[in-house]
Amino acid sequence: DAGVTQSPTHLIKTRGQHVTLRCSPISGHKSVSWYQQVLGQGPQFIFQYYEKEERGRGNFPDRFSARQFPNYSSELNVNALLLGDSALYLCASSPTGLQGYTFGSGTRLTVV
Amino acid sequence: GQNIDQPTEMTATEGAIVQINCTYQTSGFNGLFWYQQHAGEAPTFLSYNVLDGLEEKGRFSSFLSRSKGYSYLLLKELQMKDSASYLCAVNSNGRDKLSFGAGTTVTVRA
Repeated sequence: DAGVTQSPTHLIKTRGQHVTLRCSPISGHKSVSWYQQVLGQGPQFIFQYYEKEERGRGNFPDRFSARQFPNYSSELNVNALLLGDSALYLCASSPTGLQGYTFGSGTRLTVV
Repeated sequence: GQNIDQPTEMTATEGAIVQINCTYQTSGFNGLFWYQQHAGEAPTFLSYNVLDGLEEKGRFSSFLSRSKGYSYLLLKELQMKDSASYLCAVNSNGRDKLSFGAGTTVTVRA
């Protein structure tokens, strides 16, 4: 069985640019969550989607947005990139979003 | 918000036991997770506690006391491959998100 897949694995962007990160959940999982993990810290919650609707949003600026598609895959968009957005972006899926989260390997974003 | 505290680093010898403590302050507690994360990799699920008591899974056990806002992860018969960061995470308020601690880096020495 394929796990949670994320693309791309690594990305380098310039300040001010826009980025789109993609996530495909485990087959049958309807909940997708996004987390930002800065080096040396635990993951910080950004968004959670269930059945294509936003269920939760963390303390991130409006430059961050996300959506979930009918096939339950998801995109995370970040506009006007700042150096501080450099981090590992993790996607997690679960059947309902209440337990049993499985994480993808993440996208390592570097903003220069 | 949630306040989740765990030690930054721990070192132990191969074959030994290590206990990683986690304390939390939250409203509407809905479960506590432990994840293992090797450098540059995704967190992998280790355990889930929602009721008080001990959950045992092979070499790993996790304990929860809701009244004390306290959990620990016990790693027995340590192996070199157990060197990793261990993340404590709390689900609360019925919301579908996890609040993570900063992680405890465990180094296993030969």
